[in-house]
Amino acid sequence: GAVVSQHPSRVICKSGTSVKIECRSLDFQATTMFWYRQFPKQSLMLMATSNEGSKATYEQGVEKDKFLINHASLTLSTLTVTSAHPEDSSFYICSASFRTGGYTEAFFGQGTRLTVV
Amino acid sequence: SQQGEEDPQALSIQEGENATMNCSYKTSINNLQWYRQNSGRGLVHLILIRSNEREKHSGRLRVTLDTSKKSSSLLITASRAADTASYFCATDARQGAQKLVFGQGTRLTINP
Repeated sequence: GAVVSQHPSRVICKSGTSVKIECRSLDFQATTMFWYRQFPKQSLMLMATSNEGSKATYEQGVEKDKFLINHASLTLSTLTVTSAHPEDSSFYICSASFRTGGYTEAFFGQGTRLTVV
Repeated sequence: SQQGEEDPQALSIQEGENATMNCSYKTSINNLQWYRQNSGRGLVHLILIRSNEREKHSGRLRVTLDTSKKSSSLLITASRAADTASYFCATDARQGAQKLVFGQGTRLTINP
């Protein structure tokens, strides 16, 4: 399958600082990328859909000014957690997808464990 | 919002036994996919079943889909300790964007 690289895998930051997470599709062009958040022992919650060259579409309840998404190219989307607080500590996962044969094929990054202290 | 409900939430069995996990969803779908997640890692795609299919096999995996009941099951036969992970179903809604919506997941533990 295709490869999606997510970086960093772990980050610890101080309250009030911003953290940027990168998601790259290494061997295919992803017109759409998705950002998920996962709390311990829970499922993935979709945060936003990132479309190349346009504004991201945020799910209900997700603060767009808090979680800035940029999808500047067909292979890179970034999620910036601004003014991070301890409650933002979580596991963030990106996926890159494309439609093929009438279904969505999604490939996931390895996730980023964010800890805000 | 998450539309999938999975049961059981946690399942612990002995190595060699079969493990069955169930998933229910709410809206019409194009297809349903099952993913596996090892602790603290990304997701690995296991199998996809289209809305016009009823059963699909891949190695030790067997997936069924009942669109009338809006439910799916994942059966892992002859389980191994390495199968210990969380398993999620995800649906690709018929309408709207190409996003996947995940169920709550089943944490499977295989005891050696």
